Amino acid sequence: GAVVSQHPSRVICKSGTSVKIECRSLDFQATTMFWYRQFPKQSLMLMATSNEGSKATYEQGVEKDKFLINHASLTLSTLTVTSAHPEDSSFYICSARGAGSTDTQYFGPGTRLTVL
Amino acid sequence: SQKIEQNSEALNIQEGKTATLTCNYTNYSPAYLQWYRQDPGRGPVFLLLIRENEKEKRKERLKVTFDTTLKQSLFHITASQPADSATYLCALDYTGNQFYFGTGTSLTVIP
Repeated sequence: GAVVSQHPSRVICKSGTSVKIECRSLDFQATTMFWYRQFPKQSLMLMATSNEGSKATYEQGVEKDKFLINHASLTLSTLTVTSAHPEDSSFYICSARGAGSTDTQYFGPGTRLTVL
Repeated sequence: SQKIEQNSEALNIQEGKTATLTCNYTNYSPAYLQWYRQDPGRGPVFLLLIRENEKEKRKERLKVTFDTTLKQSLFHITASQPADSATYLCALDYTGNQFYFGTGTSLTVIP
């Protein structure tokens, strides 16, 4: 149980385009989803937290207009990187926390974004 | 801001030995402290959670301790195997939506 999927697993795009990444909880309802970014040989950095049906809360330094997060249902959250630039190239990972749960987060497999 | 340090960037040990990884933090103690395993190009996989009022937690060959006075957690893998080779991350959970990862320790178990 507690499986989280991400799609796509890899994406390459041109500079200036927008990319959407989906995060789904497959066998549980996720009231809270988290988005992280990870650069090579570095730890995960929390970008934002989203609760179903409400606006995402962004960490300091993360541009909300650049990284659009939508958590429209209890099983789906999306991250859209708008007008992507090469410096946005990174490994993006989502996680989900179940309704009524205050502890364990279950992580997706990650999405490797490369902006040319 | 919270600073989380894990003992060393890389740790090499012989198969069969016990690996001990350290996680130190600077600010106030979290409600939960969690340990994850991450393989290259993959998302983290949850291993163990320990609450601030717990001293020790075990799961098969894994053991975690949590000392809120020292602001430190130790993560032990006994009878280590080459398949245990991975990066291990500690994460501090301040109940709710404040969740911070450590820098990670890359463990290599040598056959």
